[in-house]
Amino acid sequence: GQNIDQPTEMTATEGAIVQINCTYQTSGFNGLFWYQQHAGEAPTFLSYNVLDGLEEKGRFSSFLSRSKGYSYLLLKELQMKDSASYLCAVREPLGKLIFGQGTELSVKP
Amino acid sequence: GAVVSQHPSWVICKSGTSVKIECRSLDFQATTMFWYRQFPKQSLMLMATSNEGSKATYEQGVEKDKFLINHASLTLSTLTVTSAHPEDSSFYICSAYTGTSGVLTDTQYFGPGTRLTVL
Repeated sequence: GQNIDQPTEMTATEGAIVQINCTYQTSGFNGLFWYQQHAGEAPTFLSYNVLDGLEEKGRFSSFLSRSKGYSYLLLKELQMKDSASYLCAVREPLGKLIFGQGTELSVKP
Repeated sequence: GAVVSQHPSWVICKSGTSVKIECRSLDFQATTMFWYRQFPKQSLMLMATSNEGSKATYEQGVEKDKFLINHASLTLSTLTVTSAHPEDSSFYICSAYTGTSGVLTDTQYFGPGTRLTVL
């Protein structure tokens, strides 16, 4: 079956660093994606991992351990505009994305 | 970058009527299009996978006779919600997949979504 877990909500302070964890158990695996979604809008792509290790992209980094079924998204130098929902998604071999329930991040001044 | 459009962006309809939502890939051909539904404060739930020229594959629990999907070309897929009821009110999002897994990191491009409200 498919099971993707992430915390429901997190709070962090502007300028700080926050790590959002995601664990998964899926029948197929062809990459793990992180998306950002603001209320009422479609998700926007943040990062992608298919091999183990860390991928860095500006203020955002994502890590993957396939053997542990684990990923995290790291956001540095938090800004107020980073307040959003962050979705972890596993891509199956035929391209289908299975989403976690999303983590609602609130950035406080 | 690749652009996917949806039309309409929002729609309000009466209970019992049907609503059609269009999903277009504007500058690329999509081998596959996916339809998702998102209820407030919940994540995206995949409804069906649509391949051009063939029948859609529906996820478990999604009624294929209620949610009709037509994928007439490599740039257009439509979702028709038939005999809509208030519980069908949701945010419907499509995505277009180029099918070039491993060549592009983000090969699934999302449309802006359609907000459906059934009265």
